[in-house]
Amino acid sequence: AQTVTQSQPEMSVQEAETVTLSCTYDTSESDYYLFWYKQPPSRQMILVIRQEAYKQQNATENRFSVNFQKAAKSFSLKISDSQLGDAAMYFCAYRNPMNRDDKIIFGKGTRLHILP
Amino acid sequence: GAVVSQHPSWVICKSGTSVKIECRSLDFQATTMFWYRQFPKQSLMLMATSNEGSKATYEQGVEKDKFLINHASLTLSTLTVTSAHPEDSSFYICSAKSLAGGPKTQYFGPGTRLLVL
Repeated sequence: AQTVTQSQPEMSVQEAETVTLSCTYDTSESDYYLFWYKQPPSRQMILVIRQEAYKQQNATENRFSVNFQKAAKSFSLKISDSQLGDAAMYFCAYRNPMNRDDKIIFGKGTRLHILP
Repeated sequence: GAVVSQHPSWVICKSGTSVKIECRSLDFQATTMFWYRQFPKQSLMLMATSNEGSKATYEQGVEKDKFLINHASLTLSTLTVTSAHPEDSSFYICSAKSLAGGPKTQYFGPGTRLLVL
């Protein structure tokens, strides 16, 4: 069974600084997708970034980028130039759309605090 | 595009009553919808997967008779919490999978807060 592990329950970063959130996962499958979701106080789940496992190039979305290490099964999220609006819960997630049930498996989350 | 709504956003009910939560895909057709439960400061826990026109598939440990799921159309799934008790108080989130397929095709609703008194 697939698992997703986020070992940092909480993190803090100074506004305008850079922070990296860690995520590791376990799977025996070779093709899958990885995601980072943001859940602000409103609790609406927002997709931050996604990575297809078959792509070697790390995904980037503006200030958000990932470091995808397939062999190590590691998928960290880097947030550059942190802003107050980045304060939220961040969930790392795994999905294999080829699986019949196509479930998203979430990590336990990392709460990110932005210090002004 | 790709908007999922949930209704109600907030519900308070008395212990022993039943509560229905709706999940709608507003601008796309959803073959599959997923229902999650989230306790404060915890992650999302998948409760069940519903496919249009067929019975829902429940995760281990989730009571089928307690959490009734109906996926009557390609745009609507409902979760009914039957004979609700205070321990059912939680945040319930649905997500919908588009017919179009691909990696970015599960969209989340805004969630429903349930408080059982």
